[in-house]
Amino acid sequence: DTGVSQNPRHKITKRGQNVTFRCDPISEHNRLYWYRQTLGQGPEFLTYFQNEAQLEKSRLLSDRFSAERPKGSFSTLEIQRTEQGDSAMYLCASRQPGQGETDTQYFGPGTRLTVL
Amino acid sequence: RKEVEQDPGPFNVPEGATVAFNCTYSNSASQSFFWYRQDCRKEPKLLMSVYSSGNEDGRFTAQLNRASQYISLLIRDSKLSDSATYLCVANGGAQKLVFGQGTRLTINP
Repeated sequence: DTGVSQNPRHKITKRGQNVTFRCDPISEHNRLYWYRQTLGQGPEFLTYFQNEAQLEKSRLLSDRFSAERPKGSFSTLEIQRTEQGDSAMYLCASRQPGQGETDTQYFGPGTRLTVL
Repeated sequence: RKEVEQDPGPFNVPEGATVAFNCTYSNSASQSFFWYRQDCRKEPKLLMSVYSSGNEDGRFTAQLNRASQYISLLIRDSKLSDSATYLCVANGGAQKLVFGQGTRLTINP
């Protein structure tokens, strides 16, 4: 499978615990994006990387959230001291280098987080 | 006000019907637009890009009106397999995507 992969697919945790999600983009895609989707809403942008550089972070990304892409390939998203409001689907997407503005991103299957 | 707004539905239509979705966006700097389809508990998948000249892909037609900041999607001869949530999407700069709330469509046999 050469698509975007995410692990784990599901995570149930207790409030206050830390969780980490992983995203493996499509090979050679230099841009990697994280989104969050809550029930009944469209995905909301969290942050994106170009290679290993994190170039933009949304206001939604509180201090408890941190994302890394150390070697410009896979990325991790960590949430510290989880809260019930963090329960959502966390989606990762990637895109090829050199695409024009009309080209788009490919999404992974997401990690569904439930905070009890 | 959300940057991309669409009627959340739900839309329930019989098989074979024509259904139209509308969407408005507020950021006039947005350069590109898309319709994504999302099945229940799955990731969004690109349905089609939207161009100012309008574009068609089989039973699907998308239109963009930059003056009115309005985007539409038309589905003709709807199939049961078209049941899904349709997300209107604008490029928010650096290719970060800004999604509408999504419109839920159910095609009934």
